Amino acid sequence: QVTLKESGPALVKPTQTLTLTCTFSGFSLTTNGMRMSWIRQPPGKALEWLARIDWDDDKYYSASLRTRLTISQDTSKNQVVLTMTNMDPVDTATYYCVRTPRTEYYFDYWGQGTLVTVSS
Amino acid sequence: QSALTQAASVSGSPGQSITISCTGTGSDVGGHNYVSWYQQEPGKAPKLIIYDVSNRPSGVSYRFSGSKSGNTASLTISGLQAEDEADYYCSSYARTGSFVFGTGTTVTVL
Repeated sequence: QVTLKESGPALVKPTQTLTLTCTFSGFSLTTNGMRMSWIRQPPGKALEWLARIDWDDDKYYSASLRTRLTISQDTSKNQVVLTMTNMDPVDTATYYCVRTPRTEYYFDYWGQGTLVTVSS
Repeated sequence: QSALTQAASVSGSPGQSITISCTGTGSDVGGHNYVSWYQQEPGKAPKLIIYDVSNRPSGVSYRFSGSKSGNTASLTISGLQAEDEADYYCSSYARTGSFVFGTGTTVTVL
């Protein structure tokens, strides 16, 4: 059974760095072809893809947020971590951790999401 | 990478068919067959309903179908039911290794 769960602060101040952790089970990110991404959704708005990390540690980022994002993995803990620097109120959103199955290009399992509010 | 364009809202009566369009460019929707669709009910995480343009995951109703022509992908819901009321998002893989989502469509069952 595949599960994903996001964790991190619910509230961050402007200019701070956000660190979110996705803890997953039921599969291994080291499996050839496996990929994981972070996606966010501001309240009442559309989904936005942020970053992706692959089984071979290749990483890809949203062009508009590239300079602020870092994605990494800890295979021993089955975790994927996203850091976003210089947080702003417009970054207030629900952040989702998602899986892309082997060699595919869609998101088949989603975490429940974690709401992050940016406010002083 | 700009968001894919979707109509903000679509409505239909129970039993009718509706179609949601998703327009991109040759760098995303038109460049390959990696278009997927997601259904999102209020307060819940999105759920995959179509992948690779027209494939349904196990457990997804046959009433959902997908297609593509050029730079525009489409999701059709046939035999519309009250439970289909939700937001729907398309997504496409982009050549740069990234993904892009649509602007989202709210489906209302009259």
